[in-house]
Amino acid sequence: SQQGEEDPQALSIQEGENATMNCSYKTSINNLQWYRQNSGRGLVHLILIRSNEREKHSGRLRVTLDTSKKSSSLLITASRAADTASYFCASANFGNEKLTFGTGTRLTIIP
Amino acid sequence: EAGVTQSPTHLIKTRGQQATLRCSPISGHTSVYWYQQALGLGLQFLLWYDEGEERNRGNFPPRFSGRQFPNYSSELNVNALELEDSALYLCASSPMRTSGWYTDTQYFGPGTRLTVL
Repeated sequence: SQQGEEDPQALSIQEGENATMNCSYKTSINNLQWYRQNSGRGLVHLILIRSNEREKHSGRLRVTLDTSKKSSSLLITASRAADTASYFCASANFGNEKLTFGTGTRLTIIP
Repeated sequence: EAGVTQSPTHLIKTRGQQATLRCSPISGHTSVYWYQQALGLGLQFLLWYDEGEERNRGNFPPRFSGRQFPNYSSELNVNALELEDSALYLCASSPMRTSGWYTDTQYFGPGTRLTVL
């Protein structure tokens, strides 16, 4: 079963607006990662945040991590049509060296 | 630098047959991971190979197996195919362990879409 869950499952916004996606996980993590998937093809790594970090930025992306709530959020600012994709969080757990993916958020940017 | 490659792109089989999927990691990467992405079920971890050995396995029956070759490429074999095996199979690779943790960034291939009729 999937450990992580993304919220919302689907999100539609106007181009130029900000998009926020949330992710929850269940066990202690070493790091949490966000990936993007276009049209059911391969995943592209976006950003990694370690368990001792609270916030990280990369271009238009901002990721936060709250280990006390076992949650993370991904903010995409000034969205573009090319950001239309599915976004997945993936947790790397202590003592079990594999990534556990969430269920994904399908983001649609309306031009 | 070439990315992770997978072949074939599409594969159509009938129930009971065997399927073989192939993956070539990024040059210099020693770890290869396999995931299954079935419709509505998200990405499920299948197998992890490193230095030719199976290091971890997801909650899948034994008819899902694989191997890693000396050049670090990998094969995923699915025996006795069932209809529910229809999915996108993704391969990912990661470089040699440096930080003490394997589960840093993984680099994904485009996937093989397996259809079982």
